[in-house]
Amino acid sequence: GNSVTQMEGPVTLSEEAFLTINCTYTATGYPSLFWYVQYPGEGLQLLLKATKADDKGSNKGFEATYRKETTSFHLEKGSVQVSDSAVYFCALGTLSGYSTLTFGKGTMLLVSP
Amino acid sequence: GAGVSQSPSNKVTEKGKDVELRCDPISGHTALYWYRQSLGQGLEFLIYFQGNSAPDKSGLPSDRFSAERTGGSVSTLTIQRTQQEDSAVYLCASSLKIGTGDYNEQFFGPGTRLTVL
Repeated sequence: GNSVTQMEGPVTLSEEAFLTINCTYTATGYPSLFWYVQYPGEGLQLLLKATKADDKGSNKGFEATYRKETTSFHLEKGSVQVSDSAVYFCALGTLSGYSTLTFGKGTMLLVSP
Repeated sequence: GAGVSQSPSNKVTEKGKDVELRCDPISGHTALYWYRQSLGQGLEFLIYFQGNSAPDKSGLPSDRFSAERTGGSVSTLTIQRTQQEDSAVYLCASSLKIGTGDYNEQFFGPGTRLTVL
């Protein structure tokens, strides 16, 4: 079956530090890959996505590249801000009749000034 | 336009009681999904609707859980005889359509936090 594994948190960084949150997946077929973000007290929001191998998704300074050879989709940002503090979820979606999502357990990011 | 809304935002109930959770999808979205977010467990897919039909109910944790959708819009997730392990945040999402050969982004509601005492 499909599964997503992401690094456990919390990840604690100082403002302007470099961020990497690792995500690897197991899936049959050719999934699309996503990062969702959940800010405190808010619902899940799509941060970025990539639908095929070697695609790079980017948004708000965050980037992730779909690596089929390593089955990975690591999230990176060059300089984090306090406002980036949130829980980040890696997810994959397959089409097998319907486009549901399989999520990782989430990684909490805490950025201090 | 309005996003996905869910009610109530918080629900505290006693073990053994039944609860109903409601989801209002984005207008025009034909696909609707329910997920459960438990502490330390991430997000767990429960069930999806295409229109009013739920073709696959295997994700529901037990036969105490049921869901329905009427008029292709509002959906209700019902948990009968609640147990403490049902305590979680229940998330609803909707998307424009499914099964088109392309992924359709799911938009999530704020969730209902259920606490079973």
